Amino acid sequence: EVKLVESGGNLVQPGKSLRLSCGASGLDFDDYGMHWVRQVPGKGLEWVSGISWDSVNIGYADSVKGRFTITRDNAKDSLSLQMNSLRPEDTAFYYCVRQSANDAFDIWGQGTMVTVSS
Amino acid sequence: QSALTQPASVSGSPGQSITISCTGTGSDIGNYNYVSWYQHHPGKAPQLMIYDVTKRPSGVSNRFSGSKSGNTASLTISGLQAEDEATYYCCSYAGFSIYVFGTGTKVTVL
Repeated sequence: EVKLVESGGNLVQPGKSLRLSCGASGLDFDDYGMHWVRQVPGKGLEWVSGISWDSVNIGYADSVKGRFTITRDNAKDSLSLQMNSLRPEDTAFYYCVRQSANDAFDIWGQGTMVTVSS
Repeated sequence: QSALTQPASVSGSPGQSITISCTGTGSDIGNYNYVSWYQHHPGKAPQLMIYDVTKRPSGVSNRFSGSKSGNTASLTISGLQAEDEATYYCCSYAGFSIYVFGTGTKVTVL
């Protein structure tokens, strides 16, 4: 069974850091680009960051550029998102997502909740 | 990186067809044929419904179809069914490893 499982979501104070992780199973992890997509409760989806299979191509949304860092470890089939200088507006459900060969997001994890509040 | 513009809501009766628009710019939708659509039911992970503007993943009903003209993409749901009630998001590649989602459209089956 193809599965993406996020972890690391928590309640954190503004200005602090948090690291999200995503473990993959049942898929050839190192063949695919991977992304983080978030959703503020009650709001729409927002693409956050993506990384190519070989970590050569990386992109960030303007809203997180300079604060978040995406990395992957193909040997461990894992994806990470280091989130620094967190703001209340970063409060959201964060999904780990696989990018198919066709530039679409075909497999989604169940998500992990990040709450930034004092 | 502005969100793509979608209508907030669209409704239709069972059996009818509805179309959801997704308007971007020449830097995203207008420049790439990498538009995808996602169905999102509350409490569940989003599901890919359309990719590369017009293509359906295996397992997705042929009642769902996609198109694009200029800077606007569209998703059409024909033969509307109760199970189609959900929020739908478009997404486009915007160059330089950047992607942008639409604002989302809540579909109501009357």
